[in-house]
Amino acid sequence: GAVVSQHPSWVICKSGTSVKIECRSLDFQATTMFWYRQFPKQSLMLMATSNEGSKATYEQGVEKDKFLINHASLTLSTLTVTSAHPEDSSFYICSAGEGGTNINYGYTFGSGTRLTVV
Amino acid sequence: KQEVTQIPAALSVPEGENLVLNCSFTDSAIYNLQWFRQDPGKGLTSLLLIQSSQREQTSGRLNASLDKSSGRSTLYIAASQPGDSATYLCAVNNNDMRFGAGTRLTVKP
Repeated sequence: GAVVSQHPSWVICKSGTSVKIECRSLDFQATTMFWYRQFPKQSLMLMATSNEGSKATYEQGVEKDKFLINHASLTLSTLTVTSAHPEDSSFYICSAGEGGTNINYGYTFGSGTRLTVV
Repeated sequence: KQEVTQIPAALSVPEGENLVLNCSFTDSAIYNLQWFRQDPGKGLTSLLLIQSSQREQTSGRLNASLDKSSGRSTLYIAASQPGDSATYLCAVNNNDMRFGAGTRLTVKP
């Protein structure tokens, strides 16, 4: 089945530094990937839709200059949290689907990245 | 904008009981709906995927139904076990995936 690999699984960084999270589709090509954020005891909130070869589409309230998304190939999307602050500490998770957004297939999720900013 | 609601927010049952988790959504123009399981501090495990043209899907002790016109889905868990304890998330797909807040299930031995 479809596999999505996400790295790192956890990261601790100092306030003010930047952190990059990678999301790879291992056995399929994903024209679209999605990035979610999950705060403790809350559900997953869609942050942005990552489209290969074009700019990401951000949800309302998500700062695009703070959360940089790059989807340079059909198998890799990256999320960079720039100038991270403690309030950015959260669980970040990506997902990808075969065939882009208009699909009748389910989405496969990465294992998530727990970011702690100290 | 699609809104997904899950009821109840939390549920505690004794082992062996059958139970139903509910999911409702506001925009019925969906491609499919997916149920996930999430263990504490972990990622998501896909349980069942129902296409918009389908009424239900079954996998082992799990059965998910979909009534797209009324914007509802249910996840039925038969003969619950302590290992079923987790948070169950419903997500609907209409160009992107939107999640409900989840139902936190505890199955007591």
